[in-house]
Amino acid sequence: GAVVSQHPSWVICKSGTSVKIECRSLDFQATTMFWYRQFPKQSLMLMATSNEGSKATYEQGVEKDKFLINHASLTLSTLTVTSAHPEDSSFYICSASRPVASTDTQYFGPGTRLTVL
Amino acid sequence: AQSVTQLGSHVSVSEGALVLLRCNYSSSVPPYLFWYVQYPNQGLQLLLKYTTGATLVKGINGFEAEFKKSETSFHLTKPSAHMSDAAEYFCAVSGQAGTALIFGKGTTLSVSS
Repeated sequence: GAVVSQHPSWVICKSGTSVKIECRSLDFQATTMFWYRQFPKQSLMLMATSNEGSKATYEQGVEKDKFLINHASLTLSTLTVTSAHPEDSSFYICSASRPVASTDTQYFGPGTRLTVL
Repeated sequence: AQSVTQLGSHVSVSEGALVLLRCNYSSSVPPYLFWYVQYPNQGLQLLLKYTTGATLVKGINGFEAEFKKSETSFHLTKPSAHMSDAAEYFCAVSGQAGTALIFGKGTTLSVSS
């Protein structure tokens, strides 16, 4: 099956610093990638939809200036958490969607655990 | 717009017993339905999906789910639970292929020996 990777798998940073998380589709080109956030013991909440070569579409309540998303190529999307604070600590999961194919679906990365001290 | 309701945040079964995890959805368009499993500190693994066609969908690890339009349900079942099935299970819906998924709150499955 299709493989999506995330890097890093976990990161600890100090409050006020910025953290970049990479999401790569390893064996297919993804025109669309999605970023989700999962708090402990909770479900995944969609943060934004990222299309290659265009600006990301953010869900209501997600600060686009805080969570910068760049989809520079068909295999890479990055999420940068700027000026991170402890409340940004969470599990961030990306997914990549293959183009076309009526029965296709999203492929999820393994997630990145962010802890802000 | 779509939404998902998973009935029961926690389900406990004995090893070898039937597993039934309930999921009801709401969708203004024909839904695409999914079940994912998540182990601690890991990403999501697709168990099965329904897009069109046969309403009984078989997935990995012996799981299956049946799409019932009249009941707006997509319950997940497995005839005989195994210890390794203990995990968090998420039901999700989307309006079409390749679009963002809307997830339910999840159901924690515990399996006792």
